[in-house]
Amino acid sequence: AQSVTQPDIHITVSEGASLELRCNYSYGATPYLFWYVQSPGQGLQLLLKYFSGDTLVQGIKGFEAEFKRSQSSFNLRKPSVHWSDAAEYFCAVGARSGGSQGNLIFGKGTKLSVKP
Amino acid sequence: EPEVTQTPSHQVTQMGQEVILRCVPISNHLYFYWYRQILGQKVEFLVSFYNNEISEKSEIFDDQFSVERPDGSNFTLKIRSTKLEDSAMYFCASSGGGGYSYNEQFFGPGTRLTVL
Repeated sequence: AQSVTQPDIHITVSEGASLELRCNYSYGATPYLFWYVQSPGQGLQLLLKYFSGDTLVQGIKGFEAEFKRSQSSFNLRKPSVHWSDAAEYFCAVGARSGGSQGNLIFGKGTKLSVKP
Repeated sequence: EPEVTQTPSHQVTQMGQEVILRCVPISNHLYFYWYRQILGQKVEFLVSFYNNEISEKSEIFDDQFSVERPDGSNFTLKIRSTKLEDSAMYFCASSGGGGYSYNEQFFGPGTRLTVL
């Protein structure tokens, strides 16, 4: 069965420091991979996505992620974190069903806190 | 920029009552989804809807749940007889068409349902 694992429940980094949030997936075919961010009381905003091609994808707000098939990973990175990045981050796999648009399978999320 | 909207933002109801959560997807999108997020847990897929019928549903989406697209703009989720465990944030999402390509899902801000 498809699944997404985010091993870190909560991460704290200092403002200006680099960030890496881990995501591992289990999927039987070429995955569609996403990172969403959720600020408190807000909906889910798409940061970036991987469908195919270049394994390093750039997203909004200075985020990037690298798809590594051999490690079944899609880790999210940012070189310098800003206080406004404090939020919860969700990795998701797109499950395709025949010719229709499939549902998303989410990890449990990683809460990011930023120290001044 | 087009966005998915949801009403109400917060709904409080008594156990056993019926609730209807409303969503207005992005106007040219063809696929519609409901997800839920119980407090502190991951986002879970409920149902997807295309061409006026359910295309996929999860085991959570039992006979107490139904979805409808009553007109050209609204997409609703009805819970017939609410239970305490239905308390959650409910997210609506929509995505475009396009054959076999997978398009990103745009999420609304959510409706927080509290069942007393």
